[in-house]
Amino acid sequence: KAGVTQTPRYLIKTRGQQVTLSCSPISGHRSVSWYQQTPGQGLQFLFEYFSETQRNKGNFPGRFSGRQFSNSRSEMNVSTLELGDSALYLCASSFRYGAAGQYNEQFFGPGTRLTVL
Amino acid sequence: SQELEQSPQSLIVQEGKNLTINCTSSKTLYGLYWYKQKYGEGLIFLMMLQKGGEEKSHEKITAKLDEKKQQSSLHITASQPSHAGIYLCGADIGNTGNQFYFGTGTSLTVIP
Repeated sequence: KAGVTQTPRYLIKTRGQQVTLSCSPISGHRSVSWYQQTPGQGLQFLFEYFSETQRNKGNFPGRFSGRQFSNSRSEMNVSTLELGDSALYLCASSFRYGAAGQYNEQFFGPGTRLTVL
Repeated sequence: SQELEQSPQSLIVQEGKNLTINCTSSKTLYGLYWYKQKYGEGLIFLMMLQKGGEEKSHEKITAKLDEKKQQSSLHITASQPSHAGIYLCGADIGNTGNQFYFGTGTSLTVIP
């Protein structure tokens, strides 16, 4: 089985621009969660999508949005980029809804490294 | 404040030494996960613990969840350079199924 894939792997943008990141889950997984990882804040939950609907959302401003398609692939968009948005963005897929609860292991992609100049 | 605190923050050990990493929560842990991350890369699942008192091992790595389900430890026996990386614990705190929290991470360096 192919793992979780994320594209692009690296991205450089300037302040004020917007960016779209893509995540393809493991075949058969319907839940995709997004995380932001920075040296200062560590790994923080952004949101989770299941069956094309956002189920859970972390404490991030509205500039961070996402969507999920019928094939479970997900995209994350960040508008009006700020320097502080520079981070490694990880997505994880799982079979069931509800983040990583009981018996619901998450499989992570390699991440997209976003640098905002 | 962090929902999951890990200690130590970083660890430098000589190859062959044993080490322990701790993950502590102020609330009951449900489905406690341990991951390893190579610098700047994705997370690799190590193991999951659910029941109080549960202990699991894989190769030279053993993880335990205490009886009260508020602390977990990860123990590496006879460390090797391949064990180097960042170790993260993760859990659904409070069994809400709504959000997954990660620990603060422990950076492990193994000196050959």
